[in-house]
Amino acid sequence: AQSVTQPDIHITVSEGASLELRCNYSYGATPYLFWYVQSPGQGLQLLLKYFSGDTLVQGIKGFEAEFKRSQSSFNLRKPSVHWSDAAEYFCAVDSGTYKYIFGTGTRLKVLA
Amino acid sequence: GAVVSQHPSRVICKSGTSVKIECRSLDFQATTMFWYRQFPKQSLMLMATSNEGSKATYEQGVEKDKFLINHASLTLSTLTVTSAHPEDSSFYICSASILDSLDYEQYFGPGTRLTVT
Repeated sequence: AQSVTQPDIHITVSEGASLELRCNYSYGATPYLFWYVQSPGQGLQLLLKYFSGDTLVQGIKGFEAEFKRSQSSFNLRKPSVHWSDAAEYFCAVDSGTYKYIFGTGTRLKVLA
Repeated sequence: GAVVSQHPSRVICKSGTSVKIECRSLDFQATTMFWYRQFPKQSLMLMATSNEGSKATYEQGVEKDKFLINHASLTLSTLTVTSAHPEDSSFYICSASILDSLDYEQYFGPGTRLTVT
């Protein structure tokens, strides 16, 4: 069965520090990959997506993600975290069925 | 572009009553809409997929008679929680996509917080 794993439930970083959020998926072919951010009590905002082509994807708010086929990973990165980045981050996978499978999410806390 | 709205944003109802949640695509035609449920501090769980003009497809374990979904037009889908009980309290999020689009992207609404007392 297809699955998405976000191994880190919580991550705490200091403002200005770099960030990497991990996402691994289980699927035979290359799926469509997404990263979303959710602030408390809010809906989801798309940060970036990967379908094909360049494996390093640039998104909004200074985020980027790299697709690594050999590792079945799609990790999200940001070189310098801002206090406003504190939120819940979800990785999602679509295997071409137009249905998402979400990871369990990573809650980011930013220290001033 | 690609804005999805939900109404209401919050609703409190008494046990045994029914509640309707609307999901609208404001600036595009959504051939497919999805309904998710999110428990506190958990991920989103897909409840059902609805296509305009046809019956919704429910995920395993979701009671179709309890969670009625109607997708009457290309811009509106509704979720009705019938005979609501406290365990139905949750955050419900809808999303919309354009079937056969090249990007498989879903556009999410802001969510509806349902509290059943």
